[in-house]
Amino acid sequence: GAVVSQHPSWVICKSGTSVKIECRSLDFQATTMFWYRQFPKQSLMLMATSNEGSKATYEQGVEKDKFLINHASLTLSTLTVTSAHPEDSSFYICSARVVRAFLNSPLHFGNGTRLTVT
Amino acid sequence: SQQGEEDPQALSIQEGENATMNCSYKTSINNLQWYRQNSGRGLVHLILIRSNEREKHSGRLRVTLDTSKKSSSLLITASRAADTASYFCATANNDMRFGAGTRLTVKP
Repeated sequence: GAVVSQHPSWVICKSGTSVKIECRSLDFQATTMFWYRQFPKQSLMLMATSNEGSKATYEQGVEKDKFLINHASLTLSTLTVTSAHPEDSSFYICSARVVRAFLNSPLHFGNGTRLTVT
Repeated sequence: SQQGEEDPQALSIQEGENATMNCSYKTSINNLQWYRQNSGRGLVHLILIRSNEREKHSGRLRVTLDTSKKSSSLLITASRAADTASYFCATANNDMRFGAGTRLTVKP
């Protein structure tokens, strides 16, 4: 149980275009989803916390107008990288926490999206 | 911002040996969790230890937590080549923040 599906697994786009990444909880409801960014051989950097039905909370230094997050339902959150540039190339990972489970529960991760901006 | 630091950053051992990874963190926590990441994949939860616990076991995994020192360790006993991965600690408060990770290589 507790499967998170992230799509696409990889994407190559041209500079200036926008890319949407989907994160779905397949067999559970997730009030909260987290979006992380990871550079090669580095740790996960929290970008934003996405709460169903409300605006996402962005970490300091993360441009909310560039990384648009929508959490329209308890099973889907999307991250849109707008006007992508080569420096946005990275590995993006989403994770979800089960509804009603809070701090003492693990996160369930998608398999990540490798974004390459040319 | 990240929460903590793991050490070592990289660890290479022979199959059958034990692997110990350490994690330090900065703020108070509700619990600390360890995750594993295979290259280019998402993270898999390994074990969770609450702030009022000092030690926890799960199969070949043993986790300790010292809240006075703000540190935790993960021990993998009798390592296997399939244990090769990156291991991260994560501290849970309202969100979840990850340490820098330890890249473990287990040679067959």
